[in-house]
Amino acid sequence: QAVLTQPSSLSASPGASASLTCTLRSGINIRTYRIYWYQQKSGSPPQFLLRYNSDSDNLRASGVPSRFSGSKDASANAGILLISGLQSEDEADYYCLIWHNRVWVFGGGTKVTVL
Amino acid sequence: QVSLQQWGAGLLKPSETLSVTCGVDGGSLSGYYWSWIRQPPGKGLEWIGEVVHSGSVNYNPSLKSRVTISVDTSKNQISLRLRSVAAADTALYYCARGVWEPDYWGQGSLVIVSS
Repeated sequence: QAVLTQPSSLSASPGASASLTCTLRSGINIRTYRIYWYQQKSGSPPQFLLRYNSDSDNLRASGVPSRFSGSKDASANAGILLISGLQSEDEADYYCLIWHNRVWVFGGGTKVTVL
Repeated sequence: QVSLQQWGAGLLKPSETLSVTCGVDGGSLSGYYWSWIRQPPGKGLEWIGEVVHSGSVNYNPSLKSRVTISVDTSKNQISLRLRSVAAADTALYYCARGVWEPDYWGQGSLVIVSS
């Protein structure tokens, strides 16, 4: 079982909200991890969006709109990237990342399509 | 404004050694973790390892036996060597900088392994 699992794809309409999940493998507790999120548009390197650990420990990268936000769902053992007010420019692949056992581990990525 | 310039051999044969270099313009190596991350065509991201200014390294166990990451402070460069490559090593190789998480990425170097 992979350390981090992301749904492979998600589609939503412009103006809608999109909730991207990053589920940690059983036995790895989301409460003890910061979750990092990246956006990768076609043909470009990934760009760091934000990190989230708690409401008092989180950071949005410079220039990232406030409609991108992070959270955790402890009951689902998952990190969440919420994109509010989806825009066509948000169409991209999104990756989560954690520091686990002295290794950076990426999720498999979610392709977001704005219909 | 820091700039990461990457270069390295684009086409290799199986069993050869991959070598990619990342030159840092407009910034110091000191105070950052410098990571190498790769992405096979159409697939997700895999962290290879990291180095700091002092030369201390940390590798992904999945690649540790074949990888060497080094730093040349006199040239402000970071280098990646991957021995005994195979087709599965075909990927875009990125260098990335971060105070902790990799938050600034180079444009990537495409390496193709083919007989």
